[in-house]
Amino acid sequence: AQSVTQLDSHVSVSEGTPVLLRCNYSSSYSPSLFWYVQHPNKGLQLLLKYTSAATLVKGINGFEAEFKKSETSFHLTKPSAHMSDAAEYFCVVSNTGFQKLVFGTGTRLLVSP
Amino acid sequence: DVKVTQSSRYLVKRTGEKVFLECVQDMDHENMFWYRQDPGLGLRLIYFSYDVKMKEKGDIPEGYSVSREKKERFSLILESASTNQTSMYLCASSLTGGVGNTQYFGPGTRLTVL
Repeated sequence: AQSVTQLDSHVSVSEGTPVLLRCNYSSSYSPSLFWYVQHPNKGLQLLLKYTSAATLVKGINGFEAEFKKSETSFHLTKPSAHMSDAAEYFCVVSNTGFQKLVFGTGTRLLVSP
Repeated sequence: DVKVTQSSRYLVKRTGEKVFLECVQDMDHENMFWYRQDPGLGLRLIYFSYDVKMKEKGDIPEGYSVSREKKERFSLILESASTNQTSMYLCASSLTGGVGNTQYFGPGTRLTVL
């Protein structure tokens, strides 16, 4: 069985400071891992994905995530937050070759001026 | 760019009504999905389809049914709407064999059942 735990329901940062959104996963097989972002009243947009290639994955808008198998983690980072980054972020796991995604409960990122 | 569209952004229905939510994708994707999103629960899979006329139950299928008569269209049906089905409904599609099973999402339908 697969599962995802997002360790923080809310994260608050100031504009220009680093962002860290934490995600731990559990998977019986070689996982595919994703981060999706949802801006208010919008659908989900793919930020980045890991599919067993490079362990450091770069995504859109300056975000990146590192796959650490020993820690079963896939944390999302950005060096400098922007006001437009305020949104809800979902960590997602899938077994490679299968279509079903399992979503975390989400982390709401708040960015203050 | 993949485009997934949903028929309504906001919908208000009464208890007991039959409700249809429509989803259309324009990228010839084999797989289509319906999720509901509730605060603190993330997204939960209701049903999915990997081919025309094929469907599979997700994690929370009770009270819902689906229809896929054409490849590009996937409908979610609430046979008799209840207040506990008030939620945001998201449709997604993906390509079979696509690397990493990336799903592309529509903008969502916020359904309120009174």
